[in-house]
Amino acid sequence: KQEVTQIPAALSVPEGENLVLNCSFTDSAIYNLQWFRQDPGKGLTSLLLIQSSQREQTSGRLNASLDKSSGRSTLYIAASQPGDSATYLCAVSLTGANNLFFGTGTRLTVIP
Amino acid sequence: DAGITQSPRHKVTETGTPVTLRCHQTENHRYMYWYRQDPGHGLRLIHYSYGVKDTDKGEVSDGYSVSRSKTEDFLLTLESATSSQTSVYFCAISEVDREAKNIQYFGAGTRLSVL
Repeated sequence: KQEVTQIPAALSVPEGENLVLNCSFTDSAIYNLQWFRQDPGKGLTSLLLIQSSQREQTSGRLNASLDKSSGRSTLYIAASQPGDSATYLCAVSLTGANNLFFGTGTRLTVIP
Repeated sequence: DAGITQSPRHKVTETGTPVTLRCHQTENHRYMYWYRQDPGHGLRLIHYSYGVKDTDKGEVSDGYSVSRSKTEDFLLTLESATSSQTSVYFCAISEVDREAKNIQYFGAGTRLSVL
């Protein structure tokens, strides 16, 4: 069974700092890895998806990397803003399957 | 939101009563999913559907059933609700984009409390 772990569970940073969120998974036979954002009481918003053949994906101030062999992904947020405050979830899809296995998330607070 | 609507958004019910949650999508997606989200567990897959009348179990399917009689609607039923089914339920669809990436999009969620 695929286990997905996100560390730390919570993180507070001052506005303007660059930060890294971590995700690890136990089964390296993944199809893709997806990072989501969840605001309190809301659904999930897809941020970035990395295919298993890719090493990284970028969108604006966000950069996600993937190292399948070590079972790790990172989400880098540059020049953090208070509007980035949310819970960030990573999820992996296994080869040949469509359902996602989720981590428990990192709750990010960016302090003005 | 990829045209996903969940109803109701909030529901309080009593132990032993049946409950049906509805997920409606407007964009003709083939795959639909039901997840539950609980503190300390993240989101876990309950059931999913890969077409009309085609469904399969996920990781935490016990106590739940689903039906999909038409493409746009995916129903989740708790035949006899228990307090352990108090949770936030999310519906999702998956879509293959122009780069052949299979991306999942989520509804706003249904908060269910079983007393």
